[in-house]
Amino acid sequence: EPEVTQTPSHQVTQMGQEVILRCVPISNHLYFYWYRQILGQKVEFLVSFYNNEISEKSEIFDDQFSVERPDGSNFTLKIRSTKLEDSAMYFCASSETGGGYTFGSGTRLTVV
Amino acid sequence: EDKVVQSPLSLVVHEGDTVTLNCSYEVTNFRSLLWYKQEKKAPTFLFMLTSSGIEKKSGRLSSILDKKELFSILNITATQTGDSAVYLCAVDPGYSTLTFGKGTMLLVSP
Repeated sequence: EPEVTQTPSHQVTQMGQEVILRCVPISNHLYFYWYRQILGQKVEFLVSFYNNEISEKSEIFDDQFSVERPDGSNFTLKIRSTKLEDSAMYFCASSETGGGYTFGSGTRLTVV
Repeated sequence: EDKVVQSPLSLVVHEGDTVTLNCSYEVTNFRSLLWYKQEKKAPTFLFMLTSSGIEKKSGRLSSILDKKELFSILNITATQTGDSAVYLCAVDPGYSTLTFGKGTMLLVSP
């Protein structure tokens, strides 16, 4: 069964450092998303991406965040200068039609 | 603001019990309601519900939607320890992204 792949599975970084989280969506999917889940809290939407541009973003997705689809397969989330409160599980998801999301297994980001 | 509320927040049952998890929602637009099971990592898809009153079933799990009363339930019969997880409900408005509830943490004890 096709799956969404995320790397790394766990990233530890120092406060103020830049991190790039990588995702390989399902190949025929056109819609891409990033969500995050702070430990013990609900899954929160960050950003959606379609047709090579951001289609929607939440208040969490401020200037420290950016997304890119650098080639035909990868979809990345960059956090420019990490803060302690960025520590969370980050989930990538993709969808063929804008519904029927498939989630990746997540990247656990720990900012120390 | 769209809202999805799940209850209970946590639940402990014995193996073999039947459980019912609740999800109510208040949203501006509605396309579908989705249930996910989250174990250690990513949410895994269980059901997508779009029409009222039609039960979706997969093994011991079933779910139904009431679009008039704006809620859904997820039933698990003959629970097993492997059912222990957080169960997430999310609403898809159709034009925007999913809104998730906080989840119900289910613990099935042997």
